[in-house]
Amino acid sequence: EDQVTQSPEALRLQEGESSSLNCSYTVSGLRGLFWYRQDPGKGPEFLFTLYSAGEEKEKERLKATLTKKESFLHITAPKPEDSATYLCAVQATKGAQKLVFGQGTRLTINP
Amino acid sequence: DVKVTQSSRYLVKRTGEKVFLECVQDMDHENMFWYRQDPGLGLRLIYFSYDVKMKEKGDIPEGYSVSREKKERFSLILESASTNQTSMYLCAAGPTGFGGNTEAFFGQGTRLTVV
Repeated sequence: EDQVTQSPEALRLQEGESSSLNCSYTVSGLRGLFWYRQDPGKGPEFLFTLYSAGEEKEKERLKATLTKKESFLHITAPKPEDSATYLCAVQATKGAQKLVFGQGTRLTINP
Repeated sequence: DVKVTQSSRYLVKRTGEKVFLECVQDMDHENMFWYRQDPGLGLRLIYFSYDVKMKEKGDIPEGYSVSREKKERFSLILESASTNQTSMYLCAAGPTGFGGNTEAFFGQGTRLTVV
């Protein structure tokens, strides 16, 4: 069974304090690993898709990396507007094209 | 720039009512999904559809049904609403084989309260 575990559940940082969020996964064969950002009361907003180990993608203060067992979302010099819940999901190569989600990391950036 | 639209942001229904949640996408994608999101449980897949009139059960289909008569529209039906179906419902759409330089887009969510 495909599984995704995110850690930590919640993280508080000071503005400018860099850190990383972790997404560990087990999947029969990885078609893609997705990162989403979700603000309270809203639907998830797509950030990145990663397809193979060693791949990296960047967007503003965010950088996502991928290994064969986990993905990291690195946040460099965060600002208060980066506060949100960050969701990780995997899509397997076999079977239905559904996304299996982790429970998310709730990130708070204090000014 | 709207891609996936859910018919209601907030909905309050009574126990036993039949409830329809509507989702429309403007991207011409084959795949559409319904998830529910609850604190501590994350997003759980209820049903998905990979083509018109086609549907498959997700992880928690009990108490729900779906309808996809047109490619752009995917409806979630609560046959007889119960209080344990109070949740945030999220619709998503993605192309066949998505994951190859594409992604699934989500709607803004429907917060359903069953009283």
